[in-house]
Amino acid sequence: AQSVTQLGSHVSVSEGALVLLRCNYSSSVPPYLFWYVQYPNQGLQLLLKYTTGATLVKGINGFEAEFKKSETSFHLTKPSAHMSDAAEYFCAVSDRRDDKIIFGKGTRLHILP
Amino acid sequence: KAGVTQTPRYLIKTRGQQVTLSCSPISGHRSVSWYQQTPGQGLQFLFEYFSETQRNKGNFPGRFSGRQFSNSRSEMNVSTLELGDSALYLCASSLVSAVSSSGANVLTFGAGSRLTVL
Repeated sequence: AQSVTQLGSHVSVSEGALVLLRCNYSSSVPPYLFWYVQYPNQGLQLLLKYTTGATLVKGINGFEAEFKKSETSFHLTKPSAHMSDAAEYFCAVSDRRDDKIIFGKGTRLHILP
Repeated sequence: KAGVTQTPRYLIKTRGQQVTLSCSPISGHRSVSWYQQTPGQGLQFLFEYFSETQRNKGNFPGRFSGRQFSNSRSEMNVSTLELGDSALYLCASSLVSAVSSSGANVLTFGAGSRLTVL
């Protein structure tokens, strides 16, 4: 069965600092991987996704993530945090066999001025 | 084009009552998925409908049910409400469903319906 673990339910970084949100997955087959962001009182928006090919995936708002099969990880990074990045971030995995998308419990990102 | 629309946005019910939530997907999207979001459990998958058929189902009791209409609009119903059903219920639509897609099933979410059970 698939599962997703996001390390740290809350992460705080200073404005301008590197953002690193960690995600590890478990899947018996090569997965599809996603990062979604949720701003207050809104639904989730897709940031980026990995399907096949290049393991470094670039998304919107300057975010990127790297698929590392050996580490079963898909960490999300952004070189320089902006106040507008404050939100909750969800990593998700999809099994290529049935496509049911399983979400992690989320990481709330706080940006310190 | 219009996004995913969920109604009502907020509602308050008491234990034992039942509730129906509605979701209108993006025009052309035939798949609708429902998730329950709570602070402790995160997003938990409820079910997915495609062309009026339930394609996938999560691990929720039978009190939780859904349906999809021919215009792809979907409703979910929770009967005999319990305090623990208080949550944000999110609907998401996508073009394709599990069976027919390549697997990278990108979801577009609505803003959710926040249910409070007293």
